[in-house]
Amino acid sequence: EVQLVESGGDLVKPGGSLKLSCAASGFTFSSYGMSWVRQTPDKRLEWVATISSGGSYTYYPDSVKGRFTISRDNAKNTLYLQMSSLKSEDTAMYYCARHDEYGNHWFAYWGQGTLVTVSA
Amino acid sequence: DIVLTQSPASLAVSLGQRATISCKASQSVDYDGDSYMNWYQQKPGQPPKLLIYAASNLESGIPARFSGSGSGTDFTLNIHPVEEEDAATYYCQQSNEDPYTFGGGTKLEIK
Repeated sequence: EVQLVESGGDLVKPGGSLKLSCAASGFTFSSYGMSWVRQTPDKRLEWVATISSGGSYTYYPDSVKGRFTISRDNAKNTLYLQMSSLKSEDTAMYYCARHDEYGNHWFAYWGQGTLVTVSA
Repeated sequence: DIVLTQSPASLAVSLGQRATISCKASQSVDYDGDSYMNWYQQKPGQPPKLLIYAASNLESGIPARFSGSGSGTDFTLNIHPVEEEDAATYYCQQSNEDPYTFGGGTKLEIK
């Protein structure tokens, strides 16, 4: 059974940093591209970052480019999201999600999410 | 960025009837003969669940009462016959180009 378990969410001040983790199991982690998707308090969904299966390629929307870094450790079956220069608008539930076997950006598997709150 | 506009924002459908949700993209999400529009269902306290991918393909394990159609910029999710458990918020998402955007959601109530 595919499982994705996020952790690391917390209350952080504006300008601060935080690192999220996503532990994967039930599939060959190193064979799949992975993404982070967030859901804001008003329930809007936003794609945040993607990393290729081997970790060589990463993609970000402009809203987080230069502030967020996605990475992975295939030996540990773990996905990461390093977030810096956090803003109040980064407050959201952060989900990790798995791509299909061809790398398409639709997400059949999601974790339960970890909550990030950016507030003074 | 491709903007996805869903309508209606909310709808109430009687048990056993049809629910139709529209998603209009600000530019085409077609590429090489395929339409890269996907649909998700989300219930409170849960992550989104993939229902339909590439416009009309039913994800494994999803009941056949869910169907998707459309191409280019206009897409539709149909649910027929609607059941109690279908009460949820539904989102469209385009996966044709970066950034991969989502619609604002449609809340479905079952009467």
